[in-house]
Amino acid sequence: AQSVTQPDIHITVSEGASLELRCNYSYGATPYLFWYVQSPGQGLQLLLKYFSGDTLVQGIKGFEAEFKRSQSSFNLRKPSVHWSDAAEYFCAVAAPFSGGYNKLIFGAGTRLAVHP
Amino acid sequence: NAGVTQTPKFQVLKTGQSMTLQCAQDMNHNSMYWYRQDPGMGLRLIYYSASEGTTDKGEVPNGYNVSRLNKREFSLRLESAAPSQTSVYFCASSEGAGQGETQYFGPGTRLLVL
Repeated sequence: AQSVTQPDIHITVSEGASLELRCNYSYGATPYLFWYVQSPGQGLQLLLKYFSGDTLVQGIKGFEAEFKRSQSSFNLRKPSVHWSDAAEYFCAVAAPFSGGYNKLIFGAGTRLAVHP
Repeated sequence: NAGVTQTPKFQVLKTGQSMTLQCAQDMNHNSMYWYRQDPGMGLRLIYYSASEGTTDKGEVPNGYNVSRLNKREFSLRLESAAPSQTSVYFCASSEGAGQGETQYFGPGTRLLVL
């Protein structure tokens, strides 16, 4: 069955430090992968997505993610974290559902805290 | 262009009461979704509507019903609320229901069932 694992429930980094959030997926075919961010009290906003081609994907707010098929991973990175990046981050994979349609399978999320 | 809007923002219900969560999108999207978010579990799909006039069950449909009122609006109804339905509910929409479609989310409705 398809699944997404985010091993880190909470991460704390200092402002200006680099960041890597881990995501591992289980999916038989070529995955469609997404990273969403949820700021406190807000809905989810798409940061970036990967379908095919270049395995390093650039997103909004200075984020990037690298798809590694051999490791079934799609880790999110940012070279220098800002205080406004404090939020919860969700990795998701698109998987076939009923009727030929697709659904997003989400990981449990990683909550990021940023120290000044 | 408001994107996806949801009402109400917060609601407290007693066990057995009913309510309808409203969702509307102004992006002319064909597909709409309802998710619930529980701590440590990410988001789980309750129902979806791939296109106007169709609705289908998701992963956790029990205790819920939906109506795709028109292309813009997709409502979620709890007929007899239970404490297990305490959650944050998100509506989302996408242009289509294909594998690569980006889903756009509303701000959520926080529901407490006592």
